[in-house]
Amino acid sequence: GDSVTQMEGPVTLSEEAFLTINCTYTATGYPSLFWYVQYPGEGLQLLLKATKADDKGSNKGFEATYRKETTSFHLEKGSVQVSDSAVYFCALTGAGRRALTFGSGTRLQVQP
Amino acid sequence: DAGVIQSPRHEVTEMGQEVTLRCKPISGHDYLFWYRQTMMRGLELLIYFNNNVPIDDSGMPEDRFSAKMPNASFSTLKIQPSEPRDSAVYFCASSLSERQPQHFGDGTRLSIL
Repeated sequence: GDSVTQMEGPVTLSEEAFLTINCTYTATGYPSLFWYVQYPGEGLQLLLKATKADDKGSNKGFEATYRKETTSFHLEKGSVQVSDSAVYFCALTGAGRRALTFGSGTRLQVQP
Repeated sequence: DAGVIQSPRHEVTEMGQEVTLRCKPISGHDYLFWYRQTMMRGLELLIYFNNNVPIDDSGMPEDRFSAKMPNASFSTLKIQPSEPRDSAVYFCASSLSERQPQHFGDGTRLSIL
């Protein structure tokens, strides 16, 4: 079945540092790929998405590119802020399944 | 626009009691999903509906769990009888169509004592 693998956390960075959170996936066909963010005590919010190979999703300074050749969708941000501290989930919807398959989540802690 | 609304936000009850979680999806959304989040298993799908019809309930743990969607604006997830291992955060999400992103509610934090 479909699966998503994320790098283990927590990731601890200083403010203005560069962020990369790795995500790779296994799926048949051409899945849609997503990054969701969860702040403490809240639900998940869609951060960005990409629906086909080589698409780049971007939002709030975050970017991720759909790489079919490496089955990856790594999240990047050039300069993180304390307010970016949260848990980030990589997810996909497969060709035949409308529900999201999530990675285990990566906690990001940004220190001032 | 109102997002996905879940109630209650928190529920604490004793094992053996019936628990009912409620969800109001975003108006016009055809898909509704129930997920459960635990430390051990992460986020996992329980069941989802399309146009009020259950499509995939393979994630429902056992017969103690049931979900209904009597109309396009309301869904319930019921646990009867509840057990301590059911303690988790339960999320409801909805989407406009099968290729559109899912929008999540704030979740119900359930504690079974």
